[in-house]
Amino acid sequence: AQSVTQPDIHITVSEGASLELRCNYSYGATPYLFWYVQSPGQGLQLLLKYFSGDTLVQGIKGFEAEFKRSQSSFNLRKPSVHWSDAAEYFCAVGVYGGATNKLIFGTGTLLAVQP
Amino acid sequence: NAGVTQTPKFRILKIGQSMTLQCAQDMNHNYMYWYRQDPGMGLKLIYYSVGAGITDKGEVPNGYNVSRSTTEDFPLRLELAAPSQTSVYFCASSPGDSPVADTQYFGPGTRLTVL
Repeated sequence: AQSVTQPDIHITVSEGASLELRCNYSYGATPYLFWYVQSPGQGLQLLLKYFSGDTLVQGIKGFEAEFKRSQSSFNLRKPSVHWSDAAEYFCAVGVYGGATNKLIFGTGTLLAVQP
Repeated sequence: NAGVTQTPKFRILKIGQSMTLQCAQDMNHNYMYWYRQDPGMGLKLIYYSVGAGITDKGEVPNGYNVSRSTTEDFPLRLELAAPSQTSVYFCASSPGDSPVADTQYFGPGTRLTVL
């Protein structure tokens, strides 16, 4: 079955430290992969997406993600975290077929940033 | 552009009451979506629409109805509210013709409590 797993429910990092948020997916075909961010009280905003080509994708706010087909992973990274990055981060995979073509979202990783 | 707007922001319903959650977008997007977000569960697709007059069920449509008479508006109707419908509801829209590959733009959400 198609699924997205974000193994870390909650992560705390210090401001200025590096960040990696994990995402693994299960999908038989070439995936469309997304990372969205949800700030408190807000809707989701796209950080970056991957369809094909270069497996290292650059996004907004200094984020990047790397697609690794062999590991079925699409981890999100940032070299130096800012306090404003505190938010919830969702990985999603776009799937075709079945009853509905849709995005499947992971359960999210809540990021806290310590001063 | 206001983007995707949702009203109300908050609502408390009694069991058995009905209500309509409003959603509007001013980006002339073809696709519109309704999701619900439950704690620790990610987002689940309730209904979606590929254009005015065309709607279809998502993963969790039971207890909800939608209509799309214009490109801009996509209201979600709750009939006979139940405690299981306590959730945060997000409306989203996307351009183009692919719900799998296109960026989705989200509204700020409606927090609904059914008591």
